[in-house]
Amino acid sequence: QQQVKQSPQSLIVQKGGISIINCAYENTAFDYFPWYQQFPGKGPALLIAIRPDVSEKKEGRFTISFNKSAKQFSLHIMDSQPGDSATYFCAASISYTGNQFYFGTGTSLTVIP
Amino acid sequence: NAGVTQTPKFQVLKTGQSMTLQCAQDMNHEYMSWYRQDPGMGLRLIHYSVGAGITDQGEVPNGYNVSRSTTEDFPLRLLSAAPSQTSVYFCASSLDSYNEQFFGPGTRLTVL
Repeated sequence: QQQVKQSPQSLIVQKGGISIINCAYENTAFDYFPWYQQFPGKGPALLIAIRPDVSEKKEGRFTISFNKSAKQFSLHIMDSQPGDSATYFCAASISYTGNQFYFGTGTSLTVIP
Repeated sequence: NAGVTQTPKFQVLKTGQSMTLQCAQDMNHEYMSWYRQDPGMGLRLIHYSVGAGITDQGEVPNGYNVSRSTTEDFPLRLLSAAPSQTSVYFCASSLDSYNEQFFGPGTRLTVL
């Protein structure tokens, strides 16, 4: 059973456009929601993360929107660039139980020049 | 700092063979984890550790063993390899559960 559901599976966006990736969860005990970026042949790298006490977090062109009541969170990439082409994973964890992270199935983003 | 290192990068095993995937970090992180990555399934947690001498099971622990005798090292043992264990394995470390997880470069394992 997938604890974190991610969509879409793949996404193609024109350069300069907005890329939006969505995730949903059921377990209300989750209290930390990171997004990871992975390039082919590399390990994932943390992009941005949010805790449920805020509804939005922005770092440069990357924004997480968090809707606690709907149990959903999303990644927005503004002014998408070809260098953003990668696989993106959302994740969720319950920090006080240790180090158990649950990942979404990933979104392959392609930004067309 | 080398960060998180994993060896080997690639490995081919025959069904029934055993092996150990090595993971080391030089950031003095207490938390370390092992994940497997399969197409269409994201990353799934195999085992994790919150400090030397402390380990626990994740989502998919069957067929794998871990130990944590030092802060730096967290090896993953496959007891009797099966084709279903063909995957890319990632090790990760972090200061604690609220801080960034740093991932290693991965080990691509094929079991024939």
